[in-house]
Amino acid sequence: GENVEQHPSTLSVQEGDSAVIKCTYSDSASNYFPWYKQELGKRPQLIIDIRSNVGEKKDQRIAVTLNKTAKHFSLHITETQPEDSAVYFCAASTAGGTSYGKLTFGQGTILTVHP
Amino acid sequence: DSGVTQTPKHLITATGQRVTLRCSPRSGDLSVYWYQQSLDQGLQFLIQYYNGEERAKGNILERFSAQQFPDLHSELNLSSLELGDSALYFCASGPLGGPNTEAFFGQGTRLTVV
Repeated sequence: GENVEQHPSTLSVQEGDSAVIKCTYSDSASNYFPWYKQELGKRPQLIIDIRSNVGEKKDQRIAVTLNKTAKHFSLHITETQPEDSAVYFCAASTAGGTSYGKLTFGQGTILTVHP
Repeated sequence: DSGVTQTPKHLITATGQRVTLRCSPRSGDLSVYWYQQSLDQGLQFLIQYYNGEERAKGNILERFSAQQFPDLHSELNLSSLELGDSALYFCASGPLGGPNTEAFFGQGTRLTVV
């Protein structure tokens, strides 16, 4: 099955700096890659996603890039703010077979933005 | 608010007991996914239902079962509970059963087994 590796596990930045989180996936059939932000004790919230027919997508301070050949995708947060502090999860969706729509998550990155 | 409703929010029960977690998907969504989140395991996919039928199965224990009803709400049944079953259980819903489906999560049920 699909395996998603996420790095780093923790990331500490100063307010205003950029943060980059990277994920790799194993199943070349995966074609949907969402990113979720989870604050302590709360639900994961979808913040951005990218599909395999697109190489990059941007939404204000957040961008995601996808390299299908290398099977990796990254989340970029610019001008970080303290309220960006949370756990970020990447995920991949595997098409076909009995795994249709199922999300496989990375292990998560704890992002801390220091004022 | 994601539109996905889970009840109860918190549940404390003893080992060996059985509990039922409930999920109401967003209006119009046909897919329901169940995930387990524990500190050392991250977000683990348990099972998916689509329009009443089981669609995909993950690392779900035999002691756990789920179903989706005609009104599309879903229930996750956990039996013979063990201390290690303590976790956050999330339900997510999406409009389709396909691979490009956004999944929106409910607020979760925190299960504590004592």
